[in-house]
Amino acid sequence: EVKLQQSGDELVRPGASVKMSCKASGYTFTDYAMHWVKQSPGQGLEWIGTIIPLIDTTSYNQKFKGKATLTADKSSNTAYMELSRLTSEDSAVYYCARSDSGYWYFDFWGPGTMVTVSS
Amino acid sequence: IQLTQSPSLLSASVGDRVTLSCKGSQNINNYLAWYQQKLGEAPKLLIYNTNSLQTGIPSRFSGSGSGTDYTLTISSLQPEDVATYFCYQYNNGLTFGSGTKLEIK
Repeated sequence: EVKLQQSGDELVRPGASVKMSCKASGYTFTDYAMHWVKQSPGQGLEWIGTIIPLIDTTSYNQKFKGKATLTADKSSNTAYMELSRLTSEDSAVYYCARSDSGYWYFDFWGPGTMVTVSS
Repeated sequence: IQLTQSPSLLSASVGDRVTLSCKGSQNINNYLAWYQQKLGEAPKLLIYNTNSLQTGIPSRFSGSGSGTDYTLTISSLQPEDVATYFCYQYNNGLTFGSGTKLEIK
């Protein structure tokens, strides 16, 4: 069974950084791409970026360049996203989601990590 | 590519045939998917490549379309279909529509 297990919710101060994780199981981690998607409160969905663990290649939505950094650890089948210089605009639920390396639609999603930026 | 979904809110009765629309600002070349998101849950893939039903999804869901215009149809609305539905294109960049909230009348 494919599972994407995300790290717990975070409460962080403005200006700080946060790093969240997405541990994959039930499939070969390097056979798929991993994506990150933002959902702001009551809002729609935004693609943040993608990492292809097999070749450690990343691709970012221009809007999130400099804000998000994606990495992956093949030894533990875990993808990470770090968000820097947090503001209230970064308060949202962040999902990791898997796709085939060729067609980038997301067939499995993690449950989400809620990030709240507040002093 | 920007995606415009309509209507933003749809109220229908159990058993109704329901049609949700998604229009792209450019040709999507059938690289369109539909997701269902229930309150407090992650989105779930329903349809990919315009009309391919994801494994485990009931056959009352179907997709169609071409070019810039795409449709998700629920042939007979069930109470468990209450959710927000998003279209998503992966032809040029990766973008989501703003969603259609589906309620039971």
